[in-house]
Amino acid sequence: DVKVTQSSRYLVKRTGEKVFLECVQDMDHENMFWYRQDPGLGLRLIYFSYDVKMKEKGDIPEGYSVSREKKERFSLILESASTNQTSMYLCASSGAGNQETQYFGPGTRLLVL
Amino acid sequence: GQNIDQPTEMTATEGAIVQINCTYQTSGFNGLFWYQQHAGEAPTFLSYNVLDGLEEKGRFSSFLSRSKGYSYLLLKELQMKDSASYLCAVGSNDYKLSFGAGTTVTVRA
Repeated sequence: DVKVTQSSRYLVKRTGEKVFLECVQDMDHENMFWYRQDPGLGLRLIYFSYDVKMKEKGDIPEGYSVSREKKERFSLILESASTNQTSMYLCASSGAGNQETQYFGPGTRLLVL
Repeated sequence: GQNIDQPTEMTATEGAIVQINCTYQTSGFNGLFWYQQHAGEAPTFLSYNVLDGLEEKGRFSSFLSRSKGYSYLLLKELQMKDSASYLCAVGSNDYKLSFGAGTTVTVRA
């Protein structure tokens, strides 16, 4: 079974703090993704990576950055958290190639005060 | 980009059938996925259609018409555990998936 884990289920941070969200997958997947999920808007892609040290912007990259130093780990960084970044953050991974099934982690619910 | 529409909510009775429609407008279509997401949990894969027609998998079936930009997910013999959000997602030629806002299905006894 594919397993995607995220470092925290719940996180509370203050405006202006730097926030790190970690994601690890154990299936040797090439592709990894970060989404945020908000009511009425569905999942929106923030960034994705198709190889180590590679990254591509998704639909809403502003205010975020990512890091992929190892194949199994993909980090999402909020350089200076703001209240409009309060959301559910979901990580996913998939095998090589386009449109392989994405497998999701349990999500991190982030509250920025 | 993608424009994906699905109903916000549907309610049905245990044992009944429910059909969740999804329409999309896309450039570079490369398959359509359905995911199930229970409250507070991760989305889990249900089905993938890349060719026109019906794919059946137990109580769940998914249909695709590429010319109409249309798909549906059919849930038969509804059970209480089927109460969840169902997400329609369209793939494009650049590794990305674009998701609809999701349809919340409530199954009543």
